[in-house]
Amino acid sequence: NAGVTQTPKFQVLKTGQSMTLQCAQDMNHNSMYWYRQDPGMGLRLIYYSASEGTTDKGEVPNGYNVSRLNKREFSLRLESAAPSQTSVYFCASSPNSLSGSLADTQYFGPGTRLTVL
Amino acid sequence: GNSVTQMEGPVTLSEEAFLTINCTYTATGYPSLFWYVQYPGEGLQLLLKATKADDKGSNKGFEATYRKETTSFHLEKGSVQVSDSAVYFCALSGVPAGTALIFGKGTTLSVSS
Repeated sequence: NAGVTQTPKFQVLKTGQSMTLQCAQDMNHNSMYWYRQDPGMGLRLIYYSASEGTTDKGEVPNGYNVSRLNKREFSLRLESAAPSQTSVYFCASSPNSLSGSLADTQYFGPGTRLTVL
Repeated sequence: GNSVTQMEGPVTLSEEAFLTINCTYTATGYPSLFWYVQYPGEGLQLLLKATKADDKGSNKGFEATYRKETTSFHLEKGSVQVSDSAVYFCALSGVPAGTALIFGKGTTLSVSS
């Protein structure tokens, strides 16, 4: 049982390049999340998926897109990377019932450290 | 809107000292409250949680009590260890239904021997 896995662990991009961050969970959780962590800012929600087949914007969605590929996988795409997107990105998942409550405990992956030059 | 305010760090303590990290929240309704911990180079892990007023969450010697009257969820530990050095995040969720976690900005704890 690996929990939440993320790839890659580190990435350096040039401005304007695109890339996809991958996330998978093996806990059969319904909900998945993408956060970014910046110094002094805590964690900010980018996008989330309450259940398979649905995605919603969080606090800072601009410049990102997501895909909930199946129940296990939730990817984050940067179409045209900018230096402001230099950050550490965390994926998380939580059990949550399909009735809609998102209050359950979240389980985090180890993070992807992204630098955009 | 809903928000979480944590005391700013860094907090620097000697081993076996008493720890308090303050956390207050603003929320409509009755949120669930959480403390997460992030060790260097790792993702966040749930430390403890409380889902209703007067509940006490506890784990690994850490405790926090959900105080509705003061809208607080302060983290305490009676005797810290070097291995407790980490960043601690207070968070809330659940109000309104369908919202995800809202985190505080984090408090860095450094414990020296």
